[in-house]
Amino acid sequence: EDQVTQSPEALRLQEGESSSLNCSYTVSGLRGLFWYRQDPGKGPEFLFTLYSAGEEKEKERLKATLTKKESFLHITAPKPEDSATYLCAVQARGNTPLVFGKGTRLSVIA
Amino acid sequence: DTGVSQNPRHKITKRGQNVTFRCDPISEHNRLYWYRQTLGQGPEFLTYFQNEAQLEKSRLLSDRFSAERPKGSFSTLEIQRTEQGDSAMYLCASSPPHRTDTQYFGPGTRLTVL
Repeated sequence: EDQVTQSPEALRLQEGESSSLNCSYTVSGLRGLFWYRQDPGKGPEFLFTLYSAGEEKEKERLKATLTKKESFLHITAPKPEDSATYLCAVQARGNTPLVFGKGTRLSVIA
Repeated sequence: DTGVSQNPRHKITKRGQNVTFRCDPISEHNRLYWYRQTLGQGPEFLTYFQNEAQLEKSRLLSDRFSAERPKGSFSTLEIQRTEQGDSAMYLCASSPPHRTDTQYFGPGTRLTVL
């Protein structure tokens, strides 16, 4: 069974304090690993797709990396507007549905 | 590109009533997905359509749940005889042809069953 575990569950950072969120996964043949951002009461907003180990993607203060067992979402010099829940999901080969983790709730304090 | 839209955004109902939600995907997206999300959890897959065909249903989708996409455009999700355990955010997502891996989500419908 495909599984995604995210850690930590919650993270509190001072503005400008860089950190990383972890997503560990087990999947029967990875088609893609996805990162989403979700604000309270809203739907998930797509951030990145990673397809193979060693791949990296960047967007503003966020950088996602992928290994064969886990992915990291690095946040550099975060701002209060980066506060949100960050969700990780995997898709196995064959167009199976996305399997999500529970998310990491990030709070960035000014 | 106006994004995925869902209606209503909020629904409060009494236990035992039927409810129906609507999802309008991004134009020309041929795949449409329904997920359910409860507090503190990630979205859980319910079902998906390719055009008008319903291709997969989760074990979470009990016989009280039914989804349709009659013309391959908008979709409806109906819950019959609602239970308090059905209270959740119901999310719809769509993906374009040739990029079926990337799903774009709507704002969700928050259901509260009293």
